[in-house]
Amino acid sequence: EIVLTQSPGTLSLSPGERATLSCRASQHVGSNYLAWYQQRPGQAPRLLIYGASSRATGIPDNFSGSGSGTDFTLTISRLEPEDFAVYYCQQYASSPLTFGGGTKVEIK
Amino acid sequence: QLRLQGSGPGLVKPSETLSLTCTVSGGSFTSSDYYWGWVRQPPGKGLEWIGSISYSGGTYYHPSHKSRVTMSVDTSKNQFSLHLSSVTAADTAVYFCARPVGREDAFDVWDQGTLVTVSS
Repeated sequence: EIVLTQSPGTLSLSPGERATLSCRASQHVGSNYLAWYQQRPGQAPRLLIYGASSRATGIPDNFSGSGSGTDFTLTISRLEPEDFAVYYCQQYASSPLTFGGGTKVEIK
Repeated sequence: QLRLQGSGPGLVKPSETLSLTCTVSGGSFTSSDYYWGWVRQPPGKGLEWIGSISYSGGTYYHPSHKSRVTMSVDTSKNQFSLHLSSVTAADTAVYFCARPVGREDAFDVWDQGTLVTVSS
């Protein structure tokens, strides 16, 4: 099973600032099958990025994903008020599909 | 626009079977043989994949739940279902059904989630 470790656990930033979230895998993630989700309180997860760097439909370009192998990054170039939420990474290269523990982006 | 609607009992007794159904609307469940998923989230915790099923009935499950999980499809109703047997309080969670991004098992459409509480 591929274990995903996200860091930091909490990121305290102000609107307009840049957010950099990390996801590290315990094994190589084949084909860069790594996705990122945003989850606001009381809502279902929302797919942001798949294939490590492809934006999902309707996702603004201030969200970007990068990385390969075992190290992946989600960058939010300028935080909007609605971007303060919890973010999860997920690998789907091998079964079982696994999620990271999440990074909470909170308002400083 | 494709939508998913999960449904099922919100309260299940310990040792009984949890059964949830996901109804696909605004699109075809059978247009391609991709794997539609079930994911759960215990209160205040992270996401856990339970398993996935294709419209032709192909399945793959998380090894942690494999002995208790069964998934099925009803193509005539555009539905797929989750059955989790011998539940305990640890199975209390919000259960989501989700659509994959084509052949890739990232999930781009989710239902609103169904809270299932296991309690006597």
